[in-house]
Amino acid sequence: ETGVTQTPRHLVMGMTNKKSLKCEQHLGHNAMYWYKQSAKKPLELMFVYNFKEQTENNSVPSRFSPECPNSSHLFLHLHTLQPEDSALYLCASSLIGAGYGNIQYFGAGTRLSVL
Amino acid sequence: GIQVEQSPPDLILQEGANSTLRCNFSDSVNNLQWFHQNPWGQLINLFYIPSGTKQNGRLSATTVATERYSLLYISSSQTTDSGVYFCAVASGSRLTFGEGTQLTVNP
Repeated sequence: ETGVTQTPRHLVMGMTNKKSLKCEQHLGHNAMYWYKQSAKKPLELMFVYNFKEQTENNSVPSRFSPECPNSSHLFLHLHTLQPEDSALYLCASSLIGAGYGNIQYFGAGTRLSVL
Repeated sequence: GIQVEQSPPDLILQEGANSTLRCNFSDSVNNLQWFHQNPWGQLINLFYIPSGTKQNGRLSATTVATERYSLLYISSSQTTDSGVYFCAVASGSRLTFGEGTQLTVNP
């Protein structure tokens, strides 16, 4: 148990569906992240939130819409996805600030299949 | 951006063997983490080691920041050590991951 919880663990959706991924951290961290991991590839950073403010969007298509209502919760809203969006989506959190080192802790991921 | 290279890409061991995984990076970093990703996708933190040496049980890691590399040592490997080992580095808040080493430990 890393202190970062993701739901659902598995998700199958059609290209016309709308769904949301949820991430919650119980570590008192102030930064949260979404990563995408496609088969046989390293993790790719999608979004960074620092104190609820989005500080990085790594050229992610608009069919992925993040939301961070507070420092403990992060959502990824999905709509009109493509089959190539099928991947493992990982959430992470860390404590950012002088001396903290930005050590990131990861959730177990949501394995998404787009049909 | 920072480039991260891991070697070897694949490693097959017999249970009980020792191994060394390497991570090279292209620029100065203030964060280097080693992770183990299990077959279910969970990334487990192994070490936060921007410099120096740390040990945790059968695992140890050394980072030589001036020469821009880090090593992960696994001793007396067990089948439960199987999975992908990632090195990730950052010079700010953005972690950049290597492509990983796929480790298989056979009984």
